[in-house]
Amino acid sequence: SQQGEEDPQALSIQEGENATMNCSYKTSINNLQWYRQNSGRGLVHLILIRSNEREKHSGRLRVTLDTSKKSSSLLITASRAADTASYFCATDASGAQKLVFGQGTRLTINP
Amino acid sequence: DTAVSQTPKYLVTQMGNDKSIKCEQNLGHDTMYWYKQDSKKFLKIMFSYNNKELIINETVPNRFSPKSPDKAHLNLHINSLELGDSAVYFCASSQGPFPEQFFGPGTRLTVL
Repeated sequence: SQQGEEDPQALSIQEGENATMNCSYKTSINNLQWYRQNSGRGLVHLILIRSNEREKHSGRLRVTLDTSKKSSSLLITASRAADTASYFCATDASGAQKLVFGQGTRLTINP
Repeated sequence: DTAVSQTPKYLVTQMGNDKSIKCEQNLGHDTMYWYKQDSKKFLKIMFSYNNKELIINETVPNRFSPKSPDKAHLNLHINSLELGDSAVYFCASSQGPFPEQFFGPGTRLTVL
């Protein structure tokens, strides 16, 4: 299975701290995406990193990709209470025409 | 303006019933998807349609039948509902070569 795995499954930090989540996958990919899901809501696309990129930034988000290790990390800097949500990585495998999601990291930001 | 909408938001029904979930997107996208999210938050693709043509059918029981009357709509009909069908079902859409997907708010299906 191409299913990604995320680590940790749950993370609780204080507001203002940085949060790091990791994702591993199994097959070759075209790109990797990160999505956020607030409780009871649909997923929202955060950032995409292509297989030939190693690092990407968007606001307080920093994503890295290591294709040799088949892994990615999402760093959220200066966390806020509003960042409390589940975060999912999704891979778009070469030729597969579909996204495969990890099981997500549940992030809680404590005020 | 809602980009991807689903109805209903909640659906509670008895085993054996038939139900439908509707999805509409006003983004002008050409590809639409149905996902199932289980109680452990695992999200798995069920179907995808591109310009009303079925592209992906992920070994979903044939009790599930998607229908795309036009490229802005993708409905999901479920026959003979079973307890294991209880989940949150998400519709999503994307456009052409751009892989980012836009998700609806989800439909929480509870089968009693």
